Amino acid sequence: AQSVTQLDSQVPVFEEAPVELRCNYSSSVSVYLFWYVQYPNQGLQLLLKYLSGSTLVKGINGFEAEFNKSQTSFHLRKPSVHISDTAEYFCAVGPLTGGGNKLTFGTGTQLKVEL
Amino acid sequence: SQTIHQWPATLVQPVGSPLSLECTVEGTSNPNLYWYRQAAGRGLQLLFYSVGIGQISSEVPQNLSASRPQDRQFILSSKKLLLSDSGFYLCAWKVKGLTEAFFGQGTRLTVV
Repeated sequence: AQSVTQLDSQVPVFEEAPVELRCNYSSSVSVYLFWYVQYPNQGLQLLLKYLSGSTLVKGINGFEAEFNKSQTSFHLRKPSVHISDTAEYFCAVGPLTGGGNKLTFGTGTQLKVEL
Repeated sequence: SQTIHQWPATLVQPVGSPLSLECTVEGTSNPNLYWYRQAAGRGLQLLFYSVGIGQISSEVPQNLSASRPQDRQFILSSKKLLLSDSGFYLCAWKVKGLTEAFFGQGTRLTVV
């Protein structure tokens, strides 16, 4: 079984400030890790993913995430946010094999960038 | 390239009425298909997934059902809607053996 915890439901931040969105996971099997972004009334778009190798993963729109196995975390960061980054962000885990490879999502973090 | 179509975008239905939401994928074959529901403050809940035609796995007991009559078609249905069925429904697909899932634009269902 897998679970994902996103510790912050909302994160307000000023434009050009750095931001970190937190994600912790638990799983009894090896997993892949993902961050998705959702703009209002739209589907989810993949930001980045961790499969293996380097623990620092770079994604689209200047986002990056770091996988920390000992802390079972996969926090998302951006050094300088823009108004257009306002959206909901979801962390997800998926098993390497089996079970339809279905993803388990966290409850999401609403990032609100203010001027 | 692969695309996913999900319709309608919005739907308002009375309690007790039937439901049919359709999702089709183009540009790939034999994908895994998924239906998720998103309720405010609850993230995405996986409702059903399918690894092939006619193969449906239900993740949570509920008032809904799913069917996969064709390889790239996934349908979410209900015989009688409840108020609690309101939410944002997302269809997703995934190539077997690859990692990430790709999502449709979603259907906003309001049961009144």
